[in-house]
Amino acid sequence: ILNVEQSPQSLHVQEGDSTNFTCSFPSSNFYALHWYRWETAKSPEALFVMTLNGDEKKKGRISATLNTKEGYSYLYIKGSQPEDSATYLCACSGYSTLTFGKGTMLLVSP
Amino acid sequence: NAGVTQTPKFQVLKTGQSMTLQCAQDMNHEYMSWYRQDPGMGLRLIHYSVGAGITDQGEVPNGYNVSRSTTEDFPLRLLSAAPSQTSVYFCASRQQGFEADTQYFGPGTRLTVL
Repeated sequence: ILNVEQSPQSLHVQEGDSTNFTCSFPSSNFYALHWYRWETAKSPEALFVMTLNGDEKKKGRISATLNTKEGYSYLYIKGSQPEDSATYLCACSGYSTLTFGKGTMLLVSP
Repeated sequence: NAGVTQTPKFQVLKTGQSMTLQCAQDMNHEYMSWYRQDPGMGLRLIHYSVGAGITDQGEVPNGYNVSRSTTEDFPLRLLSAAPSQTSVYFCASRQQGFEADTQYFGPGTRLTVL
């Protein structure tokens, strides 16, 4: 079982603020890093899958970077909107399994 | 495509009862898995399958059984329900066991054991 840590646990920002979260994972035997967006009462929705050191992915106002040598990934949200309120999960691929962090809960106030 | 479907959406059981949570996918995915979600614990893997006829245990398998007789279906059986199994259960699937494949989740089953 991989140890995947996310910080902070929760975050409360104002509309228009930019924010970022961290996902830490073991750098040895790394395969892939996944980011998910999880809204209350819904199922997790995939945002990004990253495999290469230095990878950077972008989807609208959300982007992510990956550092496999030091074992971390950042998720950035530019100009947060109330609809960005959700829990953001990262998950690390091991052999045939995906281990999730506990998530960062983001609340964006209008 | 319906994607990943789960039934029922809600279920209340009494301690000691058994039941099966159904999961199906129509994307011809080889890999399927079951997670439970508990407050403060995140998503924890119960069982997974890399193809029909092949299953394996995840992080928290005790009290649950699975089988995979077809590519499409991956039911989760609670043998004798306990209050500790009160949780939200998510089924997920991905193309194969490849690490970079996107994993898709079902809508979840909210189970309460009294």
